[in-house]
Amino acid sequence: EDQVTQSPEALRLQEGESSSLNCSYTVSGLRGLFWYRQDPGKGPEFLFTLYSAGEEKEKERLKATLTKKESFLHITAPKPEDSATYLCAVLSDYKLSFGAGTTVTVRA
Amino acid sequence: DSGVTQTPKHLITATGQRVTLRCSPRSGDLSVYWYQQSLDQGLQFLIQYYNGEERAKGNILERFSAQQFPDLHSELNLSSLELGDSALYFCASSESGRQGDEQFFGPGTRLTVL
Repeated sequence: EDQVTQSPEALRLQEGESSSLNCSYTVSGLRGLFWYRQDPGKGPEFLFTLYSAGEEKEKERLKATLTKKESFLHITAPKPEDSATYLCAVLSDYKLSFGAGTTVTVRA
Repeated sequence: DSGVTQTPKHLITATGQRVTLRCSPRSGDLSVYWYQQSLDQGLQFLIQYYNGEERAKGNILERFSAQQFPDLHSELNLSSLELGDSALYFCASSESGRQGDEQFFGPGTRLTVL
């Protein structure tokens, strides 16, 4: 069975304090790994898709990387508006499995 | 605003009842996905429809069913409701049938079963 584990569960950062979120996975044939951002009471918002080990993607203060067993979401010099829950999902065959998420709080 | 609409926003009902959740995808998107998000289970993929046909099935209970109509809107029917069905139900849409496509999520329907 596909497994997606995100760590840490929660992360409290000071504005400007860079950090990384981890998503480790066990799937039978990875077809893609996705990062989403979710604000309280709202639907997830797509951030990145990664398809193969070594791939990297960037968007503003966020950078996602992928290895054969895990993905990292690096947040550089975060701002309070980066506070959200970040979800990782892996696609194998036709099934998309989500991790439980990492809730990031950035204090000014 | 993702362009995906869901109605109703909130729904309160009793155990044993049946409800219908509605989703309209973004203009031009052919795929609709349904997800359930609860505090203890996280976000769970339920089912995908592509251009009116069922494309993929996830952890959808037999008490639940869905369909996509010719105008591409979709409905998720939940019957014989139990307390444990209380959750946020999200609909998402994408351009094609590939689950690897970027999915755009709606604002969700919060279902409370009393």
